[in-house]
Amino acid sequence: EVQLVQSGAEVKKPGESLKISCKGSGYSFTSYWIGWVRQMPGKGLEWMGIIYPGDSDARYSPSFEGQVTISADKSISTAYLQWSSLKASDTAMYYCVRQKGTYFDYWGQGTLVTVSS
Amino acid sequence: SYVLTQPPSVSVAPGQTARITCGGNNIGSKSVHWYQQKPGQAPVLVVYDNSDRPSGIPERFSGSNSGNTATLTISRVEAGDEADYYCQVWDSSSDHRVFGGGTKLTVL
Repeated sequence: EVQLVQSGAEVKKPGESLKISCKGSGYSFTSYWIGWVRQMPGKGLEWMGIIYPGDSDARYSPSFEGQVTISADKSISTAYLQWSSLKASDTAMYYCVRQKGTYFDYWGQGTLVTVSS
Repeated sequence: SYVLTQPPSVSVAPGQTARITCGGNNIGSKSVHWYQQKPGQAPVLVVYDNSDRPSGIPERFSGSNSGNTATLTISRVEAGDEADYYCQVWDSSSDHRVFGGGTKLTVL
């Protein structure tokens, strides 16, 4: 059974760094792109970027380029999304997704990130 | 960048047919995918590649795509179909994945 299991909710202060994770299982982790999707409170879905764990080739939405870093450790089948300096506007639910073809066939359960002073 | 436009809301009575549109420039040349998101849950893929259904998705869910509009059709709507629906494409010119703004389906 394919599963994407994300790390737990985080509460951080502005300016702090953060790295959240997404562990894949039940399939060949290095054979599918893994992406990240943001959903701000009460808002829609936004594609942030994507990585191919096989060679760590990463692509970013222009809206998020330079704001976050997407990485992967294929030895432990885990993808990451990280911030070096959080802002209050980063408060959101973040989903990891597996891309098959041009669509997202599996979604993680989501990680809620709250940034507040 | 490529823009997908959805109506903010659609309302339908139980047993009727709901149609949710997704507009984009020459979207008929792209593969369109649809996701359902219920409150407090992660989105679920309900239609991919314009009209295919993942296993476990009822036949009541169908899709079409032509010209500048793609449509998700839900037949014999049930109370449990009440959710937000998002369309999504891959924009090959930029290699970006794009979501529509979402449509809230209300079952009256």
